[in-house]
Amino acid sequence: EVQLVQSGAEVKKPGESLKISCKGSGYSFTSYWIGWVRQMPGKGLEWMGIIYPGDSDTRYSPSFQGQVTISADKSISTAYLQWSSLKASDTAMYYCARPLTPSRRRNDAFDIWGQGTMVTVSS
Amino acid sequence: SYELTQLPSVSVSPGQTARITCSGDVLGENYADWYQQKPGQAPELVIYEDSERYPGIPERFSGSTSGNTTTLTISRVLTEDEADYYCLSGDEDNPLFGGGTKLTVL
Repeated sequence: EVQLVQSGAEVKKPGESLKISCKGSGYSFTSYWIGWVRQMPGKGLEWMGIIYPGDSDTRYSPSFQGQVTISADKSISTAYLQWSSLKASDTAMYYCARPLTPSRRRNDAFDIWGQGTMVTVSS
Repeated sequence: SYELTQLPSVSVSPGQTARITCSGDVLGENYADWYQQKPGQAPELVIYEDSERYPGIPERFSGSTSGNTTTLTISRVLTEDEADYYCLSGDEDNPLFGGGTKLTVL
């Protein structure tokens, strides 16, 4: 079964760092992009960025460039989303997602989604 | 930057047809996808590449694009179709979700 399993919920204080993970299984992890999507409480979906684990090619939405870092460790089929200094406005559910096809097209549809990681930033 | 515009809400009665639209300049040059999200769940792909139904999605769901507007049509709406629906489109460097439409089945 193809699946993405994300790390558990996090509660952090402003200024702290954080790295959440997304582990792929059931498919060739290095052949598909992995994207990250934010959903703030009660709000819509936002496309954050995407990484190709095969060569670590990474692209960011202009809205998130410089705010987060996306990485991957292909040896353990895991992608990451990290913050160096969290803000209260980073409080959100974060989803990883895999595109439909193993193409290099970065705007392919996402058909496999992780269960989400809730990040709460509060003093 | 560009935008994808969706009406915040659409209401229909069971058995009727719901049409959810998404408008934006990028739709004339890029495919659109539609996602369904129910409360407390991750989004699910419904339609991809404007009109292709994802496997397992009922035939009641269809998609079409004309000019700068893409439409998700749900025929013979069921109460279980009540959810938030999001379009996604854009070029490879900046895909973008629409703001979402809450479908209420009265």
